[in-house]
Amino acid sequence: EDKVVQSPLSLVVHEGDTVTLNCSYEVTNFRSLLWYKQEKKAPTFLFMLTSSGIEKKSGRLSSILDKKELFSILNITATQTGDSAIYLCAVVDVWDSGGGADGLTFGKGTHLIIQP
Amino acid sequence: DTAVSQTPKYLVTQMGNDKSIKCEQNLGHDTMYWYKQDSKKFLKIMFSYNNKELIINETVPNRFSPKSPDKAHLNLHINSLELGDSAVYFCASSQEARGWPGNTIYFGEGSWLTVV
Repeated sequence: EDKVVQSPLSLVVHEGDTVTLNCSYEVTNFRSLLWYKQEKKAPTFLFMLTSSGIEKKSGRLSSILDKKELFSILNITATQTGDSAIYLCAVVDVWDSGGGADGLTFGKGTHLIIQP
Repeated sequence: DTAVSQTPKYLVTQMGNDKSIKCEQNLGHDTMYWYKQDSKKFLKIMFSYNNKELIINETVPNRFSPKSPDKAHLNLHINSLELGDSAVYFCASSQEARGWPGNTIYFGEGSWLTVV
């Protein structure tokens, strides 16, 4: 059975701290890994990682994938209270012929709280 | 039994592709809707059909085309997907074609679309 495990499940830090969120996976056929930020209802797409060792960066957020060890990390530096959210990791194991995937497997998320 | 069901629940696809989201309601309602919830959590109506007839068509790019084969189904087809189309799309239904709060609207669980 395919699994995506995120850790920690929850994390409380102070503004300005740096955090590292982890996502490990066991899937039969790995294609891509995605990170989302979820506040309330609608998630925001952060990164899609397909190749090992290539860091993706967006402002204070960065992420990298290790396909040998089957995990990804999401780093947030100089955290702000607006970074408080649930961060979700999802794995795609099949891309359909139309260039899409609807078989995502999600982890349970890391609930990040940034205290002022 | 799910009253309003939509599939797929999650969908990741590349820019430029065409994709469809399907919706079915088993409530016997005459009216169905598509809403878009963007990353700012704002819910916007896109289309409304009453007995297979289009009655609301908000300012939505014509890449979005709803199709209602019968009053229990309202599908949303999106051509040439763009990054900005990433959102959660909610299908809904109601007995009458009046605006709420005078009319109870039942929502599906949402379809998370990510365009990469």
